[in-house]
Amino acid sequence: DAKTTQPPSMDCAEGRAANLPCNHSTISGNEYVYWYRQIHSQGPQYIIHGLKNNETNEMASLIITEDRKSSTLILPHATLRDTAVYYCIVRVGGSNDYKLSFGAGTTVTVRA
Amino acid sequence: NAGVTQTPKFQVLKTGQSMTLQCAQDMNHNSMYWYRQDPGMGLRLIYYSASEGTTDKGEVPNGYNVSRLNKREFSLRLESAAPSQTSVYFCASSIGNSNQPQHFGDGTRLSIL
Repeated sequence: DAKTTQPPSMDCAEGRAANLPCNHSTISGNEYVYWYRQIHSQGPQYIIHGLKNNETNEMASLIITEDRKSSTLILPHATLRDTAVYYCIVRVGGSNDYKLSFGAGTTVTVRA
Repeated sequence: NAGVTQTPKFQVLKTGQSMTLQCAQDMNHNSMYWYRQDPGMGLRLIYYSASEGTTDKGEVPNGYNVSRLNKREFSLRLESAAPSQTSVYFCASSIGNSNQPQHFGDGTRLSIL
């Protein structure tokens, strides 16, 4: 099972882009990278996921390196409401019952 | 559209008591999951149900049982609660395809004295 490594914490200025790194050097060819966040003990919120191409949605962008050993989640204009713990997760398991292994994540603090 | 609904939101039990945590989803998802989260830690999978009628153990199944009642509902039971089971419990669901994300409820905060 591929594991991920994230920095334990980072700060970001409000209005600026927040770039969250994640290493997953043992990822397999058919494993996806998922990003979730958890705001103050609420349920985890899905942000974005990708396989090898860069992805963008209304919340964020996901940049995956060509060798797929690392990725970066970009919050383009961070707000105070983006303060949360961000989890980078690689899918494990079969095609119909995949399980997500949550690590410690990165605590992101957005400052005014 | 409520998504994933968990009940109750809070509960206090005494050691040895039993209780069932309820989870329901209205997204017509095939797969459902139960996680626990201890203070300052990430989520750990307790049990999951890939489809109606099936259940499997996750990382930390000891002390728990589950029932996939139907496609919508997936319950978690503590038969004899222990203080080590004090935690926040999250239920999640997903379509069940290989790359679709899980969607989570708001959690049940359980304290066992």
